[in-house]
Amino acid sequence: EPEVTQTPSHQVTQMGQEVILRCVPISNHLYFYWYRQILGQKVEFLVSFYNNEISEKSEIFDDQFSVERPDGSNFTLKIRSTKLEDSAMYFCASRGVVTDTQYFGPGTRLTVL
Amino acid sequence: RKEVEQDPGPFNVPEGATVAFNCTYSNSASQSFFWYRQDCRKEPKLLMSVYSSGNEDGRFTAQLNRASQYISLLIRDSKLSDSATYLCVVPFSGYSTLTFGKGTMLLVSP
Repeated sequence: EPEVTQTPSHQVTQMGQEVILRCVPISNHLYFYWYRQILGQKVEFLVSFYNNEISEKSEIFDDQFSVERPDGSNFTLKIRSTKLEDSAMYFCASRGVVTDTQYFGPGTRLTVL
Repeated sequence: RKEVEQDPGPFNVPEGATVAFNCTYSNSASQSFFWYRQDCRKEPKLLMSVYSSGNEDGRFTAQLNRASQYISLLIRDSKLSDSATYLCVVPFSGYSTLTFGKGTMLLVSP
């Protein structure tokens, strides 16, 4: 069964450093998403991406965040200058055209020290 | 404002019990609804989609009341493996951006 994959599974970084989180969505999907979940809190939407551009973003997704689809398979989330409060699980999700079901990757746990 | 509210939990039930979770949502225009299951420190996994008045899949039944903007999930004959957090999830935009409830934790004991 096709699945969304994410790398790395765990990233530890120093405050102020840049990080890039990588995702490989399901191959025939066209809509891509990033969500985050701070420990003990609910899953929160960050950004959606369709047709090579951002289609929607939340107030969390400020100028420190960017997304890219550098090739036909990868979808990345970059945080330019990490803050302590960026520590969270980051989930990538994708969906196809026929249904609106989103499939989630296993997540990247980001720890900012 | 995009709001999805769930029973706070946790629910502690013995094996074999029937348990029901409730969820209310604020956007009357939402057309589809989802229950996801999340195990500790894992990704959300789709349990059930709800598009009309309800859906049933084995021991799991979801019901939708559009007038009251209310969704429920019923689990019959609980198993130990049902222990998880159950997330009520509602798309709030044309791009199906998902808004999650805080989740209700279920603990099934022997």
